Amino acid sequence: KQEVTQIPAALSVPEGENLVLNCSFTDSAIYNLQWFRQDPGKGLTSLLLIQSSQREQTSGRLNASLDKSSGRSTLYIAASQPGDSATYLCAVEDSGYSTLTFGKGTMLLVSP
Amino acid sequence: KAGVTQTPRYLIKTRGQQVTLSCSPISGHRSVSWYQQTPGQGLQFLFEYFSETQRNKGNFPGRFSGRQFSNSRSEMNVSTLELGDSALYLCASSSGQGFYEQYFGPGTRLTVT
Repeated sequence: KQEVTQIPAALSVPEGENLVLNCSFTDSAIYNLQWFRQDPGKGLTSLLLIQSSQREQTSGRLNASLDKSSGRSTLYIAASQPGDSATYLCAVEDSGYSTLTFGKGTMLLVSP
Repeated sequence: KAGVTQTPRYLIKTRGQQVTLSCSPISGHRSVSWYQQTPGQGLQFLFEYFSETQRNKGNFPGRFSGRQFSNSRSEMNVSTLELGDSALYLCASSSGQGFYEQYFGPGTRLTVT
């Protein structure tokens, strides 16, 4: 059974810092890995999708990497802003049937 | 392109009642998945439908059921509500293939009293 772990559970940084969020998964036979952002009480916003054959994806200040063999992914956020404050969730698709297994998330607080 | 819509956004029900939640996927998407989110358990997969067929099911009791219509809209039903069913219920749509991105709706907040 796939298990996804995210470290740290919470992170507080001053504005402007570069930061890394970590995600690990136990079964490397995945179709893709997706990073989401969730604001309190809201739905999930997709940030980046990395397909199993890819090593990384970039969108603006965000960069996500994937190392399937070691079961790890990182989300790098450059020059953090208060608006980046949210919970970041990592999820893997390993069934081929559009089914995601989620980590518990990293709650990020960026202070002005 | 309109996003994933879910109705209603908020619901308050009494223990023992039943509830039906609705999800309309992005136009052209044939797969709809449902997830339950609680503070203790996080996001857990309920079931996935593709072209009106349930392809995958999570580890939830039979009180949780769903269906998908020919226009890809999906409904989720919970019968005999329990206090522990209080959660944010999220649906996601995708093209249906395992390699593609999933897009989530805003969720339905269900409170069982």
